[in-house]
Amino acid sequence: QKEVEQNSGPLSVPEGAIASLNCTYSDRGSQSFFWYRQYSGKSPELIMSIYSNGDKEDGRFTAQLNKASQYVSLLIRDSQPSDSATYLCAVDQTGANNLFFGTGTRLTVIP
Amino acid sequence: SAVISQKPSRDICQRGTSLTIQCQVDSQVTMMFWYRQQPGQSLTLIATANQGSEATYESGFVIDKFPISRPNLTFSTLTVSNMSPEDSSIYLCSVEDLGSGSESDYEQYFGPGTRLTVT
Repeated sequence: QKEVEQNSGPLSVPEGAIASLNCTYSDRGSQSFFWYRQYSGKSPELIMSIYSNGDKEDGRFTAQLNKASQYVSLLIRDSQPSDSATYLCAVDQTGANNLFFGTGTRLTVIP
Repeated sequence: SAVISQKPSRDICQRGTSLTIQCQVDSQVTMMFWYRQQPGQSLTLIATANQGSEATYESGFVIDKFPISRPNLTFSTLTVSNMSPEDSSIYLCSVEDLGSGSESDYEQYFGPGTRLTVT
């Protein structure tokens, strides 16, 4: 069974802190991994993609992938109140760009 | 990335009726996808729509309930047929586009969604 699991939260961090979001997946053959941000009432917005083991940085965001442990994470440095949203982990488990989504982690950044 | 629009943005429908949702993209794309997001839930893929071929449906979704059209490379429709309150959900289309990074593969970008309420 193909599963993508996330801690639903809510996760609360103070402004300026590092927020750490985690995701595990069940299909060892998965190749592509994505983090989406979804504000309440809005559609998901792609913020990071990662395909190789290790870290990938983009501004305040760092995605980390460990295929051996079937684990992908997202770090948000210098968290801002505008980062408050639900973060969705998505995994392409078939290679056909059919994404399986986790249930999302709700992040609240406290001013 | 591609700019995606959906119509309608929201609708309230009576049970037993059908609603067709349109998805328009500002550039030609090979693959388009339809997702459902039920209240408080994450996204579930309904089907993949490629131009010139039948849509491919995920487990739990059938063509009679969710017929899809893909007449060209910039447009698709999803119909929710014979609706019941359980169909109340946000319906999202997405498109596959090539990412911008050096190692990028195709990435998915979402339209604004259609919020459907069935009474």
